[in-house]
Amino acid sequence: GAGVSQSPRYKVAKRGQDVALRCDPISGHVSLFWYQQALGQGPEFLTYFQNEAQLDKSGLPSDRFFAERPEGSVSTLKIQRTQQEDSAVYLCASSLGDREREQYFGPGTRLTVT
Amino acid sequence: GENVEQHPSTLSVQEGDSAVIKCTYSDSASNYFPWYKQELGKGPQLIIDIRSNVGEKKDQRIAVTLNKTAKHFSLHITETQPEDSAVYFCAASKVRFGAGTRLTVKP
Repeated sequence: GAGVSQSPRYKVAKRGQDVALRCDPISGHVSLFWYQQALGQGPEFLTYFQNEAQLDKSGLPSDRFFAERPEGSVSTLKIQRTQQEDSAVYLCASSLGDREREQYFGPGTRLTVT
Repeated sequence: GENVEQHPSTLSVQEGDSAVIKCTYSDSASNYFPWYKQELGKGPQLIIDIRSNVGEKKDQRIAVTLNKTAKHFSLHITETQPEDSAVYFCAASKVRFGAGTRLTVKP
């Protein structure tokens, strides 16, 4: 069956540009998570949605980062005025219910800011 | 907040040997401990998980042990195969990940 998909898979942005990263979770999955993974590191939690409600955004590194999931399915992570330190892989994961259930990860979007 | 430490950062074993990866966590309220395998260019994939009311769980060649008193948990892979080569992550407190262990299994 279809897993979590993310687009684009690769994005190159000039410093100062805005970017939008898309996540299509598994159909019917209530919970959706965004993570940032720097090279050689583990995923760092950014934000969490339950349906359309953003219940936790404690991991967003600055107010340049914004996430939404308006209809409780597809989610978009937007980064404004990108900086070089934003270069990373951005992972999206979804799960059927609460956080203790298995998370299914997408392949990630590799963002490079030049 | 939760802090997860993972060791070693790299591990190289001969095919057929066992591999052990260890993690410690800080938040005593944590009650769910998954392990993920990540291959190059892919997202992490859950391989096994354990909840705080269980001390050990096994699935074929993979086992996880949990010591809640000491706040540490371990992944054990027996009879390693070259296809086990990947980066492994532990996690605690739902969304806090360790820094990863790069496992290489030499044929």
